[in-house]
Amino acid sequence: QVQLQQSGPGLVKPSQTLSLTCAISGDSVSSNSAAWNWIRQSPSRGLEWLGRTYYRSKWYNHYAISVKSRITINPDTSKNQFSLQLNSVTPEDTAVYYCVRTGRGGYPDYWGRGTLVTVSS
Amino acid sequence: QSVLTQPPSASGTPGQRVTISCSGSSSNIGSNSVNWFQQLPGTAPKLLIYSNNQRPSGVPDRFSGSKSGTSASLAISGLQSEDEADYYCAAWDDSLNGHWVFGGGTKLTVL
Repeated sequence: QVQLQQSGPGLVKPSQTLSLTCAISGDSVSSNSAAWNWIRQSPSRGLEWLGRTYYRSKWYNHYAISVKSRITINPDTSKNQFSLQLNSVTPEDTAVYYCVRTGRGGYPDYWGRGTLVTVSS
Repeated sequence: QSVLTQPPSASGTPGQRVTISCSGSSSNIGSNSVNWFQQLPGTAPKLLIYSNNQRPSGVPDRFSGSKSGTSASLAISGLQSEDEADYYCAAWDDSLNGHWVFGGGTKLTVL
């Protein structure tokens, strides 16, 4: 059974960097058949895919165009986890952030519990 | 404005059959599989249907999915009070270098 444990601050100031981590159990961040995603949810924007990292003989990152200039998703093989960094945040980035696995079938099958991140001074 | 279009609300009485629609385009539903999620208040979305019509282990067979062209549907038969939740459709979209897209969600009320 795959479990995803999220951690990170719930409050970030405008213009600063949002940082979240997702620890994986029951699978490997280096799996050749999985991808590790960040998805956020807000009342104004609904569910929004932000990006993913995955390993297929080498590491790949793939980001949504809407955040491409501000986002970094990094795997950490030593801790079997992956992280999200979103720079220059504004109140529009206030949302519940989820880490999500897409498995061998290519669909989002396991979700973290979510972290409410509020951008406010 | 979500890429996939769902009705904002649906309702039914216990025992009834309810369907929720999801409309997309050729770059998402028209060329990729549709997945459905159930979200209870304060929790993460839970995978309900994958690959258009497949149920993960543990999901009751009261839930079924179908797809035709650029549209998909989720059907819930024998409606129960615990089915009251938000339901979302999702598909991979091949445009803009590829990305996941979601419906705006349908709030199901069991009367």
